[in-house]
Amino acid sequence: AQSVSQHNHHVILSEAASLELGCNYSYGGTVNLFWYVQYPGQHLQLLLKYFSGDPLVKGIKGFEAEFIKSKFSFNLRKPSVQWSDTAEYFCAVTPYSSASKIIFGSGTRLSIRP
Amino acid sequence: GAGVSQTPSNKVTEKGKYVELRCDPISGHTALYWYRQSLGQGPEFLIYFQGTGAADDSGLPNDRFFAVRPEGSVSTLKIQRTERGDSAVYLCASSLMGSGGHETQYFGPGTRLLVL
Repeated sequence: AQSVSQHNHHVILSEAASLELGCNYSYGGTVNLFWYVQYPGQHLQLLLKYFSGDPLVKGIKGFEAEFIKSKFSFNLRKPSVQWSDTAEYFCAVTPYSSASKIIFGSGTRLSIRP
Repeated sequence: GAGVSQTPSNKVTEKGKYVELRCDPISGHTALYWYRQSLGQGPEFLIYFQGTGAADDSGLPNDRFFAVRPEGSVSTLKIQRTERGDSAVYLCASSLMGSGGHETQYFGPGTRLLVL
C-alpha cells in the first residue's frame, strides 16, 4: 500500500533559522507530490507541488522542495523561517493510477520562537 | 468567490445516533472529496465524486458511512450508528475537473465530530 512518512512530529526553531522537513513516500510507480500547510485556525492549503520536470520546486512564502526519485524523498526547505511560519505541514502524494486520492503523511508541527 | 464551506462546524452526538455532514464546494467544481482527520494524523481519503457519481469510495471504513451528491454540487456525508471511534474532523475538498493529481484540491474548514 502507498504511504507517506514524515520523520519529525514537532520541530521548534528560532526566527531566521533554516528549515528542512523530511518526507519519504512508498510507491513504486509515477507519483505527484505535494506539501500542504495548515496555519492555526485556517484551512488546509497547498504550499507547493511537483508533477514533472525540474525536481526543485518553489512554492509560496519562500518555501521550496526537492524531489529525489532514487531516495523516494520530497523534503521541504526554507532558508530563513519567520514566526508566521508556525503551522502544521503535511507531505502528500497522489499515485498516478489513482490520482484523485491524496495520501497524506501524519504531519509535522512547526513552532517558531520569536 | 467563496471557498469550500462545511456545516456544521462542530457536531456532538451520542453513540448510536445518526449524523449528516454537509459540504458546499466551490462553484463550478465538478470534483468533490471527503477526508477524515483523526487527532495527530494526516487526513485520510474517504470518497471522491465526479459530478453526481462516486468515482472512488474505497476509503469508506464500513457500511455505516455513506455519501451522496444528488445534483452534482452539495454533498452530504452520512454516518449511521455512530461509534466513539468516528470522532474526528471531517474535511471536504473540491477541484475543478477531478482529472487527477494535476489539479489543486481546495479544502474546507472541516466539521469536528465528537461522539460521546
